[in-house]
Amino acid sequence: KNEVEQSPQNLTAQEGEFITINCSYSVGISALHWLQQHPGGGIVSLFMLSSGKKKHGRLIATINIQEKHSSLHITASHPRDSAVYICAGGATNKLIFGTGTLLAVQP
Amino acid sequence: DAGVTQSPTHLIKTRGQHVTLRCSPISGHKSVSWYQQVLGQGPQFIFQYYEKEERGRGNFPDRFSARQFPNYSSELNVNALLLGDSALYLCASSARLAGVSYEQYFGPGTRLTVT
Repeated sequence: KNEVEQSPQNLTAQEGEFITINCSYSVGISALHWLQQHPGGGIVSLFMLSSGKKKHGRLIATINIQEKHSSLHITASHPRDSAVYICAGGATNKLIFGTGTLLAVQP
Repeated sequence: DAGVTQSPTHLIKTRGQHVTLRCSPISGHKSVSWYQQVLGQGPQFIFQYYEKEERGRGNFPDRFSARQFPNYSSELNVNALLLGDSALYLCASSARLAGVSYEQYFGPGTRLTVT
């Protein structure tokens, strides 16, 4: 069992839909990172959170420390949101990554 | 201000050869981490360097080594390449000893193909 698990692995949505990606972790972490990876490989950091909720534009990230669970929400999804979304737990000296969620938003 | 840069962007090597990958962190960042991402999987931690010292090492064989220079740039070296070393190698920099509570900024990666 991976230390950081994501669901779903693949997600197809229609433009405008509300999207939720879930992340559960089994290790002790001090922060949970949400990252976006486009085809070609470049990774962009979306959020780093250790409690509560953060919002940036149409993206919202929440974390429940007690349940060891985090969610990434995308409101009013758009085809340009199509990418792989990865959650990663910040442990001592390193990030422990989930396997990613491949999101395709169709027009 | 330039982001994290990596070179080369693509590389093709033959089994048994040696490869050196390079990373320049964001100006002012003292921590560099290396990750390996095999196709279809999430990145796996290889090394972290901070202030020119190794501060963390993932579960990779001794064929993998790295170093950090006085200007905080870093090299990742892989000896005796295997087909399984084919992957995207990502470098990330952070202002402080990273991974835990400090945001990491990723470079575009070096795609290594071993034939």
